[in-house]
Amino acid sequence: EAQVTQNPRYLITVTGKKLTVTCSQNMNHEYMSWYRQDPGLGLRQIYYSMNVEVTDKGDVPEGYKVSRKEKRNFPLILESPSPNQTSLYFCASRRTGSNQPQHFGDGTRLSIL
Amino acid sequence: ILNVEQSPQSLHVQEGDSTNFTCSFPSSNFYALHWYRWETAKSPEALFVMTLNGDEKKKGRISATLNTKEGYSYLYIKGSQPEDSATYLCAPNAGNMLTFGGGTRLMVKP
Repeated sequence: EAQVTQNPRYLITVTGKKLTVTCSQNMNHEYMSWYRQDPGLGLRQIYYSMNVEVTDKGDVPEGYKVSRKEKRNFPLILESPSPNQTSLYFCASRRTGSNQPQHFGDGTRLSIL
Repeated sequence: ILNVEQSPQSLHVQEGDSTNFTCSFPSSNFYALHWYRWETAKSPEALFVMTLNGDEKKKGRISATLNTKEGYSYLYIKGSQPEDSATYLCAPNAGNMLTFGGGTRLMVKP
């Protein structure tokens, strides 16, 4: 089954404790991205990757890191999480081309105390 | 950051009603316009991707039109059903990124 898999689905943690949210897709998609969703603000793009070893900042990259060492994986790293990063996070992937639809993971709800 | 506006923010209709909502976006540097359907507790699912001015797409009772010159797209739902209740998101693609609007939340009462 074609899918985008995120882990964990839920996490409660404390300020400053490094965490990683993993994202994996099995569709051989070149493009992957991370979004956060906050009430009243909609989905905002954090980082994206056009292909292996190519990453770029989205609209809200501060406080996040990403890497793309393999085509299928695109982890999101919070080196020193803060309460303002409490949010619902989505990973997505698509084929190359602006006319290609994005496939979203099931989301990760992060709470940072 | 692109300014993408969707209206209305929310909409309550009766089962069987037809409805439509709007997505407005900057018309310059346009590549494609995406529509997604997002049900509560699930992830967004792609409905349509449109690229050409005058494009019309249809999937069952849902259809969409695109005007790239004036920067808007309409989504229409004919004969709404309770299972159509969801948030509908539009997102223009201007380059390598999608910029999502705030969505229209549709609630269909049986």
